[in-house]
Amino acid sequence: DQQVKQNSPSLSVQEGRISILNCDYTNSMFDYFLWYKKYPAEGPTFLISISSIKDKNEDGRFTVFLNKSAKHLSLHIVPSQPGDSAVYFCAAKENNNNDMRFGAGTRLTVKP
Amino acid sequence: DTEVTQTPKHLVMGMTNKKSLKCEQHMGHRAMYWYKQKAKKPPELMFVYSYEKLSINESVPSRFSPECPNSSLLNLHLHALQPEDSALYLCASSPSPGSYNSPLHFGNGTRLTVT
Repeated sequence: DQQVKQNSPSLSVQEGRISILNCDYTNSMFDYFLWYKKYPAEGPTFLISISSIKDKNEDGRFTVFLNKSAKHLSLHIVPSQPGDSAVYFCAAKENNNNDMRFGAGTRLTVKP
Repeated sequence: DTEVTQTPKHLVMGMTNKKSLKCEQHMGHRAMYWYKQKAKKPPELMFVYSYEKLSINESVPSRFSPECPNSSLLNLHLHALQPEDSALYLCASSPSPGSYNSPLHFGNGTRLTVT
C-alpha cells in the first residue's frame, strides 16, 4: 500500500535549467509534506516542507508546490546545479502522527 | 555532519549471529525512529519510540528487537536474521512525538548484509 508515489525514477537536466520533481499521494489525511535529499552513503537530509494550509513554499532555489485537490506536490529547483545531483524523496504525514510515509525516490542528475 | 549518529556504518552477519545497531542524538529530541530501506524502495517505518516508550511497531518480526535505554540512545538488536533482511537501516529523531510541522532528522544509516 504505497500512499506516496514518485513515478519518475530518474531525471536528467542541464546545469542552470529548472528541475521539476513530482510526487502524488493517496491519503487525504496527510497534512504535512516534505522533500528530502539523499547522497550516496548518507542518510536523507531534510530540504523543504509545506503544510496543507499553503500551496507554495519557497526557500532560495527550492520551491515546493502543493495541489491538494489533485493530491500532488512538486519540487522546483532553479537554477539547477551539479551539486544538486542526488536522490530526492517525497514524504508525507498526518500531523500529530509519527508515521511518515516516503516515496521511492527520484534520482536527479544535473549535467554541467 | 549529521546530528544523528549511527554505528556501525557497515555490518556483515551470519544467520545465527546476534548483533546490535546503535543510534545516538544529542538534540534533545524525544521521538526516535527505525526505518528500513531496500534498494530502489522507499524507507519503511519499523518502530517509533516516544519519550523512551515504544509507540509504534509496524508488525516487525521478533528477530528485530528495539530498545531505548534513554532519550538520547536507540538500539536495534538483531538475532537469527534472514538474507532478505539485508538493507540500509536508518535511525531518525524528531523534537517530540507527532511533532507538528517538524521534519525527521536522519542518521547516515547502517548497511547490513546477512549471509
